[in-house]
Amino acid sequence: EADIYQTPRYLVIGTGKKITLECSQTMGHDKMYWYQQDPGMELHLIHYSYGVNSTEKGDLSSESTVSRIRTEHFPLTLESARPSHTSQYLCASSEAGTTVPTEAFFGQGTRLTVV
Amino acid sequence: AQSVTQPDIHITVSEGASLELRCNYSYGATPYLFWYVQSPGQGLQLLLKYFSGDTLVQGIKGFEAEFKRSQSSFNLRKPSVHWSDAAEYFCAVGVPGFQKLVFGTGTRLLVSP
Repeated sequence: EADIYQTPRYLVIGTGKKITLECSQTMGHDKMYWYQQDPGMELHLIHYSYGVNSTEKGDLSSESTVSRIRTEHFPLTLESARPSHTSQYLCASSEAGTTVPTEAFFGQGTRLTVV
Repeated sequence: AQSVTQPDIHITVSEGASLELRCNYSYGATPYLFWYVQSPGQGLQLLLKYFSGDTLVQGIKGFEAEFKRSQSSFNLRKPSVHWSDAAEYFCAVGVPGFQKLVFGTGTRLLVSP
């Protein structure tokens, strides 16, 4: 079993609120990712990190921000939530590897609804 | 840029019947290929992966996949489907030098009694 945890699992919040989605892993993985997943759509990479103090934008533009102060922790923040942010957010991690893509381990996801 | 196509949005299979889920990728060289399964309300779990070598790959839960370079395909198969296999299945491709996976849109498998 992969040890990567996301909280909360479900969140319903009003427009304009600030939210932080938590993601933690206990595998010591250097790489971490945030994917956004809408029903019937592919997973879109919105942020990734190669290690502490490293954060990069993914393929899909997102108004969210991330931080990586500790290896095991990769929170995602929305400063002002909007209905368009309603989606499922999946966090993942993987070993560093060299040039070969390694498998990613996923958390259970956070389903966010902005009303 | 690399991409993944899963042409079937939904597939319904009778319990005990065989299953094949299609996956086509777009990449010039040999990619690194993955199949993940997502049960309702859960994250993604790795079923199997192909990096090199034998083109027939065995995975967990009785699944296997075959890499066919000539068809740019990596189809997932299972000889006898169980009701617990009902889930969403995602094919993904990884490219050397890029530490990200690109996912297909997924195929939802329904298992009928």
